[in-house]
Amino acid sequence: DGGITQSPKYLFRKEGQNVTLSCEQNLNHDAMYWYRQDPGQGLRLIYYSQIVNDFQKGDIAEGYSVSREKKESFPLTVTSAQKNPTAFYLCASSISGTKKETQYFGPGTRLLVL
Amino acid sequence: EDKVVQSPLSLVVHEGDTVTLNCSYEVTNFRSLLWYKQEKKAPTFLFMLTSSGIEKKSGRLSSILDKKELFSILNITATQTGDSAVYLCAVPTDSWGKLQFGAGTQVVVTP
Repeated sequence: DGGITQSPKYLFRKEGQNVTLSCEQNLNHDAMYWYRQDPGQGLRLIYYSQIVNDFQKGDIAEGYSVSREKKESFPLTVTSAQKNPTAFYLCASSISGTKKETQYFGPGTRLLVL
Repeated sequence: EDKVVQSPLSLVVHEGDTVTLNCSYEVTNFRSLLWYKQEKKAPTFLFMLTSSGIEKKSGRLSSILDKKELFSILNITATQTGDSAVYLCAVPTDSWGKLQFGAGTQVVVTP
C-alpha cells in the first residue's frame, strides 16, 4: 500500500519538553511538507523539503525543527521554544517537477499540552 | 502579500440542495489553484485548476477558475450527508510547491 503515515495519532507534551512527530512516505516523492492546523483556520506551512539533506522554513517555523536524512522520512520536532503547540499537525508529500503542487496528506497527529 | 480568502466560512444545507463555495486569491505569480476536502483528518485532493473558464468535474462536484477576476468556485449538486466536510482552497506561492491555504468552508449536510 502506497501512502503517507504519521505517528503517533495523539501526542501529549509536558511543559519544557521536546517532542518529535514522525512522517514516512513510500510514494517515492521528492518533496515533503509540514503544516499546522488550528481550529477554524486553514493550514499554515511550518517547514518543507525538496530533496534529501535540504529544507526551508515556512511561514511559522519558530519553535520547530526538522531533518531530512532519508527521502522517505521527514520528522518534525516541536521544541520547548514553541509556546502554543496545541494543534493538528499534517505532513504532506508531492512529486517534484510539473506535478509538484498536488500535495497528498497523511492522517495527522493531534498534539496536546498537559 | 499572498492571500487566499474563502467564503462562506460555514453553511448548513439539506440533502439534495446545491452548494456553491467561493475562493478568491491574490498571488504574485499565479500557477494553479487546488481544492481539497477534509473530513476530520487528512485533506484529500479534489481538483487542480490552471486554465481559466475550463470546468473540472468529478461526479457531483465541479469547479471552475476565473483568472481575470481571481476566483474559483466549487459546486456540489444533489448534496448527501457524506459531503459534510471542510473544503479547502490553496494556491502555490512559489515554484517549489509552497501552498497558501484559505481558512476553509465548513459544509454541514443534514438529512
